[in-house]
Amino acid sequence: SQQGEEDPQALSIQEGENATMNCSYKTSINNLQWYRQNSGRGLVHLILIRSNEREKHSGRLRVTLDTSKKSSSLLITASRAADTASYFCATEPGSGGSNYKLTFGKGTLLTVNP
Amino acid sequence: NAGVTQTPKFQVLKTGQSMTLQCAQDMNHEYMSWYRQDPGMGLRLIHYSVGAGITDQGEVPNGYNVSRSTTEDFPLRLLSAAPSQTSVYFCASSYSGGGRSSYGYTFGSGTRLTVV
Repeated sequence: SQQGEEDPQALSIQEGENATMNCSYKTSINNLQWYRQNSGRGLVHLILIRSNEREKHSGRLRVTLDTSKKSSSLLITASRAADTASYFCATEPGSGGSNYKLTFGKGTLLTVNP
Repeated sequence: NAGVTQTPKFQVLKTGQSMTLQCAQDMNHEYMSWYRQDPGMGLRLIHYSVGAGITDQGEVPNGYNVSRSTTEDFPLRLLSAAPSQTSVYFCASSYSGGGRSSYGYTFGSGTRLTVV
């Protein structure tokens, strides 16, 4: 079963605007990760945030994590056409024998129009 | 440094045939896994391995076998292909899993499999 659910399923913005994608999950986690997938390609790791962290930055990316609400958001600032891709959140469980299972959501398709 | 290499990139099988999808990594990662990606379903975990000689089932293991005889290789075997196994298959590796990850997972470029 899917652990994470991204919202929205699709997002279309103009170049230069900010893009925000959200992820909700169901069970306790050790960490949450965001990945990007360009059409027809493999996934690329963007950023990892641990359960004891609230915010993390990497270049134009900002990730927040609210464990009380079991949710995370990915903000891409000053978007570019090259940011057009699908974005997935993935979680590693917090405990138990299944804690090696990285579980993905269904993704948000971001389109950045030039 | 090639990362994660998957072969073949494309494959067409007839129902009932068997085949092996190859996955190799050169980063000395201890953790490797196989996912399938279907439209609207995201990625679903098939099998994973936490080290040579150790494998376990993921979310959708039926119809697939794996083995891990070396750190570098983690092949996925389809025993008797079915149309429901038509999908894009991704292999991924990580320096460590189980909540100890710091760097995320490295993915291969995928194998697009069609079963007719």
